[in-house]
Amino acid sequence: AQTVTQSQPEMSVQEAETVTLSCTYDTSESDYYLFWYKQPPSRQMILVIRQEAYKQQNATENRFSVNFQKAAKSFSLKISDSQLGDAAMYFCAYAEWAGNQFYFGTGTSLTVIP
Amino acid sequence: GAVVSQHPSRVICKSGTSVKIECRSLDFQATTMFWYRQFPKQSLMLMATSNEGSKATYEQGVEKDKFLINHASLTLSTLTVTSAHPEDSSFYICSARDPQRGGYEQYFGPGTRLTVT
Repeated sequence: AQTVTQSQPEMSVQEAETVTLSCTYDTSESDYYLFWYKQPPSRQMILVIRQEAYKQQNATENRFSVNFQKAAKSFSLKISDSQLGDAAMYFCAYAEWAGNQFYFGTGTSLTVIP
Repeated sequence: GAVVSQHPSRVICKSGTSVKIECRSLDFQATTMFWYRQFPKQSLMLMATSNEGSKATYEQGVEKDKFLINHASLTLSTLTVTSAHPEDSSFYICSARDPQRGGYEQYFGPGTRLTVT
């Protein structure tokens, strides 16, 4: 099974500042998908951003961007101009190209300080 | 688009009874749905993958006779916790893939909090 590692159980950031959440994964595949999901206190899982492994360009979605380093098997999430509503648990996830299953990391709890 | 609903959002049942949780894809047809269990402050643990019209595939360690999954239509999957015990108390989340959208992201339901007394 693939493994996804999030080494930061908790992170905090000042409102309006930038924070980077780390994620590494282990795979022998060359084609796959990577995702960041956000789980606020409501516990609804929300897709933040996704990256296809075959794309060299890093994905961006408004204030959210990733740094995808395929050779290093690293997939970090940068949140710019942090807002109070960004406070949540963030999960990194890996999906096989031809498979169904997601592999989730253990999550990073992000606190935004006013 | 790509909305997944779950019902009920919260349920309390007595030990020994069964409870059914429904997962519906509201605006797409989901050939594959997934059931997860999440303990407080922990990650999602995949319990089983259900495919429309066929038997579910359970992850190792998940009792298929306790957690019955039925994917009877392209928009509905159900999870029945049979003979529930307090240790089955947890947060259960379903998700679904929309094959028409391409990619492999999963769309998640809002979850069901099960409390067994």
